[in-house]
Amino acid sequence: DGGITQSPKYLFRKEGQNVTLSCEQNLNHDAMYWYRQDPGQGLRLIYYSQIVNDFQKGDIAEGYSVSREKKESFPLTVTSAQKNPTAFYLCASRPRQAAAGYTFGSGTRLTVV
Amino acid sequence: DQQVKQNSPSLSVQEGRISILNCDYTNSMFDYFLWYKKYPAEGPTFLISISSIKDKNEDGRFTVFLNKSAKHLSLHIVPSQPGDSAVYFCAASAPPGYALNFGKGTSLLVTP
Repeated sequence: DGGITQSPKYLFRKEGQNVTLSCEQNLNHDAMYWYRQDPGQGLRLIYYSQIVNDFQKGDIAEGYSVSREKKESFPLTVTSAQKNPTAFYLCASRPRQAAAGYTFGSGTRLTVV
Repeated sequence: DQQVKQNSPSLSVQEGRISILNCDYTNSMFDYFLWYKKYPAEGPTFLISISSIKDKNEDGRFTVFLNKSAKHLSLHIVPSQPGDSAVYFCAASAPPGYALNFGKGTSLLVTP
């Protein structure tokens, strides 16, 4: 079955530590996206990538970094520079030819302790 | 700056009646609009979409209407069922990246 896998489901991080959230898709989608959701808020775009080795900042990229070395993978690193990292993180992908054909992962809940 | 707005945080409807969820946008470059249903700590579930060249799209109990001149779209659910209770997000996208811009959501409660 094709889909997006986000791991882990729950993640705890100590203040001052970097942490990497995994996102893997086997849908052969070209574009991949990272969103963040806070309570009472919609999903906000962190970073996105339309092709391998290329990515663009979204609305709230500060304190985050990404890489796109493989088409299937788009890991998100939450750095110590991110002031408020506790949130629910969602990864999504989309085929190039389908502007509305998004697939979302099941999310990672990150908590800073 | 919020480009997609859902001004009603919550809506309560009786089972069998129509649910109407509204969404406004400010960016005239948006050319795809989507509605998602979401539960806490889960990924969004796609419901229905519409491109800017259409003014209506229907899929079963779900119909989306787009009024480009008013920069407004709405989702109609008829008839509403208790299983429809969830948070509904409106989203819009524009080229080149087609990243989704989300509203803050409307929590729908369908009561028996």
